[in-house]
Amino acid sequence: AQSVTQLDSHVSVSEGTPVLLRCNYSSSYSPSLFWYVQHPNKGLQLLLKYTSAATLVKGINGFEAEFKKSETSFHLTKPSAHMSDAAEYFCVVSESNNDMRFGAGTRLTVKP
Amino acid sequence: NAGVTQTPKFRILKIGQSMTLQCAQDMNHNYMYWYRQDPGMGLKLIYYSVGAGITDKGEVPNGYNVSRSTTEDFPLRLELAAPSQTSVYFCASSWPQGTSGEPFYNEQFFGPGTRLTVL
Repeated sequence: AQSVTQLDSHVSVSEGTPVLLRCNYSSSYSPSLFWYVQHPNKGLQLLLKYTSAATLVKGINGFEAEFKKSETSFHLTKPSAHMSDAAEYFCVVSESNNDMRFGAGTRLTVKP
Repeated sequence: NAGVTQTPKFRILKIGQSMTLQCAQDMNHNYMYWYRQDPGMGLKLIYYSVGAGITDKGEVPNGYNVSRSTTEDFPLRLELAAPSQTSVYFCASSWPQGTSGEPFYNEQFFGPGTRLTVL
């Protein structure tokens, strides 16, 4: 079965500096990969998804992620953090419609 | 479109009580899901449905039941609530796999969640 590991439980950056949230996955097939964001006391919102059209995926709010099969990674980046980016971020791997596996999450803190 | 809606937003139950968490979607999605999120953890799948009348267990189904009589609604039933069921519950829906046969899966759309405490 597929699995996903988010390498950092908490990342803290200053406003205006780059963001890197790391995600490694394990899958026997060619999976779909997603990043979701969860703001406090809110539901999950899709940031971006990888479905093989391109290895560099652009999402909402300036986020992007690069699929690296050789490294089994799908790290999320943003060139310049904004205060509104402070949230919990989940990396998700899916091998079927009924089996999405979530990482434990990375809490992003943005300091003024 | 309202998207995925859930009621109630919050609920406190006593041990042994029962309740139903409601979920509805207006996007005509075939697939619907129930997850629970425990503190510091990702979401775990409780049950899912691929269409009206069809449901199946996910990773953590014990203590829960579901039904799907319509495309729009997917209620989650807790019988004999236990403290271990204290969690935040999310409902989600999605389209199935793309129709052109590509082996990739569509994103799920999530509701705002129900925070349940069992004392």
